[in-house]
Amino acid sequence: GENVEQHPSTLSVQEGDSAVIKCTYSDSASNYFPWYKQELGKRPQLIIDIRSNVGEKKDQRIAVTLNKTAKHFSLHITETQPEDSAVYFCAASDPWGTGNQFYFGTGTSLTVIP
Amino acid sequence: DSGVTQTPKHLITATGQRVTLRCSPRSGDLSVYWYQQSLDQGLQFLIQYYNGEERAKGNILERFSAQQFPDLHSELNLSSLELGDSALYFCASSQRSNTGELFFGEGSRLTVL
Repeated sequence: GENVEQHPSTLSVQEGDSAVIKCTYSDSASNYFPWYKQELGKRPQLIIDIRSNVGEKKDQRIAVTLNKTAKHFSLHITETQPEDSAVYFCAASDPWGTGNQFYFGTGTSLTVIP
Repeated sequence: DSGVTQTPKHLITATGQRVTLRCSPRSGDLSVYWYQQSLDQGLQFLIQYYNGEERAKGNILERFSAQQFPDLHSELNLSSLELGDSALYFCASSQRSNTGELFFGEGSRLTVL
């Protein structure tokens, strides 16, 4: 099965600085890479995703990059704000394959210091 | 509101007991996933169903079982409960022919005393 590794496990940044979270995956069949944000005591929610035919995707202050050759993808948050404080999970999947499994990374706890 | 409904929201029980967690997916979603999240831990994939059939199994203990019914709701049965089973259990659903996005329910928090 797929193995997704995520780093760092914790990250503290000053408000206004950038934050970068990195993930690697093992299964070359994975072609869909979503990022989920989980605020304290709440459910994970999708914030951005990227498919394997795209190298980069942006949505306002967040962006995701994908390097298929190296099997790694990253989340970039610019101009961080206190409300960005949460746990972020990356995932790798082949949603159109037979397994349709989502393998999540171990999560990164981001703290934005005002 | 994600459209995924989980019941109960909270459950307290004793070791050795058996509980059933219920999940109703979003209307139209055929896939249901179960995840376990222990304190300060990640999302451990347990099992996935697609249109009533088991599609994939993760790190699900033999004491745990699940099924998806014809109306597409799913139940996760946890038996012979141990203290270590205390966790937040999430159900998520997706529509395979759509974007692949998982929609999570609010979770069922299980406390085993």
